[in-house]
Amino acid sequence: DAGVIQSPRHEVTEMGQEVTLRCKPISGHNSLFWYRQTMMRGLELLIYFNNNVPIDDSGMPEDRFSAKMPNASFSTLKIQPSEPRDSAVYFCASSFKGTNQPQHFGDGTRLSIL
Amino acid sequence: GENVEQHPSTLSVQEGDSAVIKCTYSDSASNYFPWYKQELGKRPQLIIDIRSNVGEKKDQRIAVTLNKTAKHFSLHITETQPEDSAVYFCAASSSGGSNYKLTFGKGTLLTVNP
Repeated sequence: DAGVIQSPRHEVTEMGQEVTLRCKPISGHNSLFWYRQTMMRGLELLIYFNNNVPIDDSGMPEDRFSAKMPNASFSTLKIQPSEPRDSAVYFCASSFKGTNQPQHFGDGTRLSIL
Repeated sequence: GENVEQHPSTLSVQEGDSAVIKCTYSDSASNYFPWYKQELGKRPQLIIDIRSNVGEKKDQRIAVTLNKTAKHFSLHITETQPEDSAVYFCAASSSGGSNYKLTFGKGTLLTVNP
């Protein structure tokens, strides 16, 4: 199994630019999670999907952030326009749907907004 | 919502000693408690988890205990080795219908000195 695949691994861009992060969950998993990790705030859940449907987006910081899951094998997290305070590591994780299911993380995207 | 407190924030032990990390949670409905290990620059990796119907679980040198009455759970690592050095995160999952998510503690930086 290839695990959760994220791209790009690193992204450096200037403030105001649009940023798109991509995630391919583990085949067969039907829940997908987007997290943001910073030193100050730790690991924060931004949004998660069950069967491609957004269930809880209460962690999305503001309207500049949006996430989609057009099919079971692909999701995007978009920031438009980006700001320096968005700099963080963004992780995608997936699991089988339901309670008590282990989440498996991708390698993350290290995002730097200049 | 759920709140997870983790202590200590840093822990330094000598190789061969034991290490204990403690977490408390606030939502009595939480019923799943995973622990993740994150090495520098890497993704969080699940190392052990426990469900609320058991009080203890062990996997080689790692064990987790759960006290539902007191709402706390702990990670125990015995015979520590330098490769155990990493940041460890506890998490708690509460569920309601199809809405469930993990809330993470702030992490413990464990350093095992040779």
